[in-house]
Amino acid sequence: GQQLNQSPQSMFIQEGEDVSMNCTSSSIFNTWLWYKQDPGEGPVLLIALYKAGELTSNGRLTAQFGITRKDSFLNISASIPSDVGIYFCAGQEAGANSKLTFGKGITLSVRP
Amino acid sequence: DTGVSQDPRHKITKRGQNVTFRCDPISEHNRLYWYRQTLGQGPEFLTYFQNEAQLEKSRLLSDRFSAERPKGSFSTLEIQRTEQGDSAMYLCASSLAGGDTQYFGPGTRLTVL
Repeated sequence: GQQLNQSPQSMFIQEGEDVSMNCTSSSIFNTWLWYKQDPGEGPVLLIALYKAGELTSNGRLTAQFGITRKDSFLNISASIPSDVGIYFCAGQEAGANSKLTFGKGITLSVRP
Repeated sequence: DTGVSQDPRHKITKRGQNVTFRCDPISEHNRLYWYRQTLGQGPEFLTYFQNEAQLEKSRLLSDRFSAERPKGSFSTLEIQRTEQGDSAMYLCASSLAGGDTQYFGPGTRLTVL
């Protein structure tokens, strides 16, 4: 089935640095969502994007819905230790009747 | 707490046993989804309900799996004759009808010995 591509699998940054992650697809998506997951917990919604070109912020997080509707990026500014976790992109394909397709996630580590 | 809740949080069972998980969605949400997540992967869609109607099932949902949402509120996911390959985190999410934003519960971690 359709997969969203997230790479690299892991990222290591220094506290205070900015980090950017992107997510790509071979098909068009109507909605892009970014989630963060801690070990043993469910994904927590960070940002939702509904329109091509949309740029949305949530505190230190900013995400954009790509104009081609085949990609999205998430930027975290001034990282802090609690940003550690797995970041997933998810999208709803055109005509997919609500189900979300997820990427494999990027594990973010923040060095103090 | 008005978020999505799931019970139990952890379940250990022996191969061949049946297990049932429960999900309570956010109260005003009429769509409810089940996903499965294995280690190192993102969640994969299993099935979803709008109110009590099951509208879509993934090919991942073998005939040993059955989901119900009898009154359009909580849902149960049952796995019969569990296999070791069923070991995973089972996640429930809910949304408003027509809404694309899904909110997830904490998940049920199933281990099949």
